[in-house]
Amino acid sequence: EAGVAQSPRYKIIEKRQSVAFWCNPISGHATLYWYQQILGQGPKLLIQFQNNGVVDDSQLPKDRFSAERLKGVDSTLKIQPAKLEDSAVYLCASKTGGNYEQYFGPGTRLTVT
Amino acid sequence: KQEVTQIPAALSVPEGENLVLNCSFTDSAIYNLQWFRQDPGKGLTSLLLIQSSQREQTSGRLNASLDKSSGRSTLYIAASQPGDSATYLCASTSGYALNFGKGTSLLVTP
Repeated sequence: EAGVAQSPRYKIIEKRQSVAFWCNPISGHATLYWYQQILGQGPKLLIQFQNNGVVDDSQLPKDRFSAERLKGVDSTLKIQPAKLEDSAVYLCASKTGGNYEQYFGPGTRLTVT
Repeated sequence: KQEVTQIPAALSVPEGENLVLNCSFTDSAIYNLQWFRQDPGKGLTSLLLIQSSQREQTSGRLNASLDKSSGRSTLYIAASQPGDSATYLCASTSGYALNFGKGTSLLVTP
């Protein structure tokens, strides 16, 4: 079974530029999450999708971050404009639903200079 | 808001030792608790998932326990190996998503 795929793996941009990350969850997984992990911290939830609907985006900085999940499969997370404090690893995770395990992708490491 | 704390923040042990990593959470109304491993520059690998109705789960040399009443979970690693060196994160689910601790960085020396 293929795991959660993410791209790119690394990205370096200057502040005020825009960037987009892509996630392809495990086939059949209805629930998809985006997390932000700052160095030395645990991951923090940004947004959760159930199929193509948003369940929770309360911690998403909506003035600069946006996310979508078209057709309930792939998802993209965008930052525009980026700030220095957005430097982090962005992790995508998926699960089938209910109280089952979340499976994580390898993450995208973003550096904002 | 659920707060998850992991102690110690870092741990160094010689190969072969048994060790315990601790995790505490403030809201006992959790659905489950999950332990993850994270290698440098990599994503998270799920190790064990304990449902709220369970007391422990075992996988190979790993054993995780859950005590909801005291808000604690422990991860026991038997006969540690250098390949166990990584950051170990615990996370609880009491709502939609996982609430993570900051992790314990483990180094097992040969």
